[in-house]
Amino acid sequence: KQEVTQIPAALSVPEGENLVLNCSFTDSAIYNLQWFRQDPGKGLTSLLLIQSSQREQTSGRLNASLDKSSGRSTLYIAASQPGDSATYLCAVGGYQKVTFGTGTKLQVIP
Amino acid sequence: DAGITQSPRHKVTETGTPVTLRCHQTENHRYMYWYRQDPGHGLRLIHYSYGVKDTDKGEVSDGYSVSRSKTEDFLLTLESATSSQTSVYFCAISESVRTGPGGLFFGEGSRLTVL
Repeated sequence: KQEVTQIPAALSVPEGENLVLNCSFTDSAIYNLQWFRQDPGKGLTSLLLIQSSQREQTSGRLNASLDKSSGRSTLYIAASQPGDSATYLCAVGGYQKVTFGTGTKLQVIP
Repeated sequence: DAGITQSPRHKVTETGTPVTLRCHQTENHRYMYWYRQDPGHGLRLIHYSYGVKDTDKGEVSDGYSVSRSKTEDFLLTLESATSSQTSVYFCAISESVRTGPGGLFFGEGSRLTVL
């Protein structure tokens, strides 16, 4: 059974800082990994999707990496802004099932 | 943004009453999912559909049923709501079971309170 862990559960950083969010998974037989952002009371917004054959994806200030062999993915956020404050979830796509982590709640302090 | 609409967005009901949540998509994606999100449990899959009239159970399917009579609509029914079904329900869609080149897309959620 795939287990997905996101540590820390909460993170508070000053504006402008570069930061890394972590996602670990136990079964390396995955098809893809997706990072989402969730604002309070809202749905999940897709940020980046990495296929199993890829090592990283970039979108603006965001960069996500994937290391299947070690069961890890990281989401790098450059020059953080208060508008980045949200909960970030990773979702690991396996055979006919997607497993979600419980998220990291990020607060960027002005 | 993916065209996914959930209704109702908020509902308060009493224990024992039936409840139906609707998910409507305009993307013509084959796969549709219902998840529930609860503090401490994250997102858990209730049921999913891989085509019209083709559905299967997820990890927390007890007490829920689903139907899909058209590509664009996926209904989640609680036959007799219980307080443990108080939650936020999310519909998601994807092009393939392996979430395709675009991944999963989510609706805005339906907050259900069972008194």
